Amino acid sequence: QVQLQESGPGLVKPSQTLSLTCTVSGGSISSGGYYWSWIRQHPGKGLEWIGYIYYSGSTYYNPSLKSRVTISVDTSKNQFSLKLSSVTAADTAVYYCARDWGYGSGSAPGWFDPWGQGTLVTVSS
Amino acid sequence: EIVLTQSPGTLSLSPGERATLSCRASQSVSSSYLAWYQQKPGQAPRLLIYGASSRATGIPDRFSGSGSGTDFTLTISRLEPEDFAVYYCQQYGSSSTFGPGTKVDIK
Repeated sequence: QVQLQESGPGLVKPSQTLSLTCTVSGGSISSGGYYWSWIRQHPGKGLEWIGYIYYSGSTYYNPSLKSRVTISVDTSKNQFSLKLSSVTAADTAVYYCARDWGYGSGSAPGWFDPWGQGTLVTVSS
Repeated sequence: EIVLTQSPGTLSLSPGERATLSCRASQSVSSSYLAWYQQKPGQAPRLLIYGASSRATGIPDRFSGSGSGTDFTLTISRLEPEDFAVYYCQQYGSSSTFGPGTKVDIK
């Protein structure tokens, strides 16, 4: 079955760019039919959807983060990536990647299944 | 933005009891675009329900979802020891937002 694994630095300095990669196994991103999302969870708090990408490169971002987010895809490596610029302590969170079933209304994402295990990113000098 | 409110914040129950969790939206969620997730400490969320009432693959039938418009409910008919966790609702009818969660703990 499809599995996802996040990777990237666990510590990022304020004002810098957070970069994470999600590697998908057990299925091909380029086969289509699904979107691929990033979601984060602040320590001890709830969940926040960041954005998604389709294998073609089409993206849709949470309006609240749109100005700082870039999601890209590398189908040759079966990976997709997140970049979040100008980070502050408020961006400290566990970042998850997930398969997005894309059945939301309009451009909205759908439900998420499965999820990666998550990776904690701390923003601190 | 559609804001989701979950109640109660914490539900203290015993194994074998019935759990009823509420998710209320600040505006109508079109076409029942609502999902439920279970999260245990140190783990990623797990999809339970999508489309307000469809169980995800492999989810036991003691989990059921219902509701429409602005009011949705997740029911666990008989709590098993492994069901004590935090439950989140998510709407995907207008962008996507999550509720703050309901913790189901052992009484």
